Amino acid sequence: AQKVTQAQTEISVVEKEDVTLDCVYETRDTTYYLFWYKQPPSGELVFLIRRNSFDEQNEISGRYSWNFQKSTSSFNFTITASQVVDSAVYFCALSEVTIQTDSWGKLQFGAGTQVVVTP
Amino acid sequence: DTAVSQTPKYLVTQMGNDKSIKCEQNLGHDTMYWYKQDSKKFLKIMFSYNNKELIINETVPNRFSPKSPDKAHLNLHINSLELGDSAVYFCASSQPNRDEQYFGPGTRLTVT
Repeated sequence: AQKVTQAQTEISVVEKEDVTLDCVYETRDTTYYLFWYKQPPSGELVFLIRRNSFDEQNEISGRYSWNFQKSTSSFNFTITASQVVDSAVYFCALSEVTIQTDSWGKLQFGAGTQVVVTP
Repeated sequence: DTAVSQTPKYLVTQMGNDKSIKCEQNLGHDTMYWYKQDSKKFLKIMFSYNNKELIINETVPNRFSPKSPDKAHLNLHINSLELGDSAVYFCASSQPNRDEQYFGPGTRLTVT
């Protein structure tokens, strides 16, 4: 079963609009990590953020912000005042840390959300 | 100074051939990984090595064999290539498993 769901396949916005990417995860572990990665058209995977399950503080980094809510198992990502350079596929990922679940150490990715920002 | 490097970047080969992809990291990380990204962009882990020891082996055909000569290198050898092996293969590395994983630039494999 999919552990990370990114329901939005593609989002198109005009420059300067805000865009929010949804991520819903599923785990029985109490300790886990959540990540966002960016994959621009050039193809590399760029790490954006890591959040552990005990830290529900929202985070802001420049135009990027993340909203982590354990109650709804969501870890959403907002780009404020989008720019053309933000056009990319964004992946949410989960890493469970309980050895017994056989998921130790591996990133389980969502299907990704393609963000298209037009001038 | 590339942190995680992969060679080659592109690989075009015919069905039935055997090929290898090399990965090296200079970050001093203990753990390395191979991921496969299919044509729909879905990323899935294949293998993970920690200090040259295999710790994750997902359901991958045994035509795929990872080899870690030392903890800075993790190579992927693929025997008897099939059309369905066409994908982008990413190598990654991290410090103990909870930390963020840093990815190489990917190797686009095309099997004709």
